Amino acid sequence: QVHLQESGPGLVKPSQTLSISCTVSGGSMSSFYWSWIRQPPGKGLEWIGYISYTGTATYNPSLNSRATISVDTSKNVFSLELDSLTAADTAVYYCARVNWGSYNYMDVWGKGTTVTVSS
Amino acid sequence: IVLTQSPGTLSLSPGERATLFCRASESFSSRFLNWYQQRPGQAPRLLIYGASTRASGIPDRFSGSWFGTEFTLTISRVEPEDFAVYFCQQYSGWAFGQGTRVEVK
Repeated sequence: QVHLQESGPGLVKPSQTLSISCTVSGGSMSSFYWSWIRQPPGKGLEWIGYISYTGTATYNPSLNSRATISVDTSKNVFSLELDSLTAADTAVYYCARVNWGSYNYMDVWGKGTTVTVSS
Repeated sequence: IVLTQSPGTLSLSPGERATLFCRASESFSSRFLNWYQQRPGQAPRLLIYGASTRASGIPDRFSGSWFGTEFTLTISRVEPEDFAVYFCQQYSGWAFGQGTRVEVK
């Protein structure tokens, strides 16, 4: 079965760029889309964006073009970069597989990686 | 599209019926409404997609329905493992509702 695993730095300083990757194991990245979602402490879920296996990305406009998602299907990895960090970006960051077709839904999730933005 | 979930918190005893609501600010295809469950300290898990189709491995005590712009998630008899937060999510814009917490009464 497909398994997703995030890896990230844990602690990042304000104004810096966050880089997180998600490794996909147990299945192919082809025919699926791949998404990033975050959850600030004690709050709800916020969709960051998603990318097709061919590399076309779509982002949440509320992030003001700070996010960049990329995919490397040869390595079974997709990644998120988020620049100009502030304390408001402190959150658990999840990666998820998007089942894209007649229905669109996120059916496989990673366990999440905690990112704290602090000096 | 904004999704508004109600109630914010639902206090129930095991075995009781749970009814959770998700209201959309405008109409869209029910095919694009999903429900997720998030247990404490865990990642969200897909429960229902397309408003009414249970995801793989989801018990049949969970069901989804809709009428117009109001979507409903029902748990016929709440089990101890069902105490969690539930989020609705809509594909277009990928908005999430703010969540409903189902807690032990």
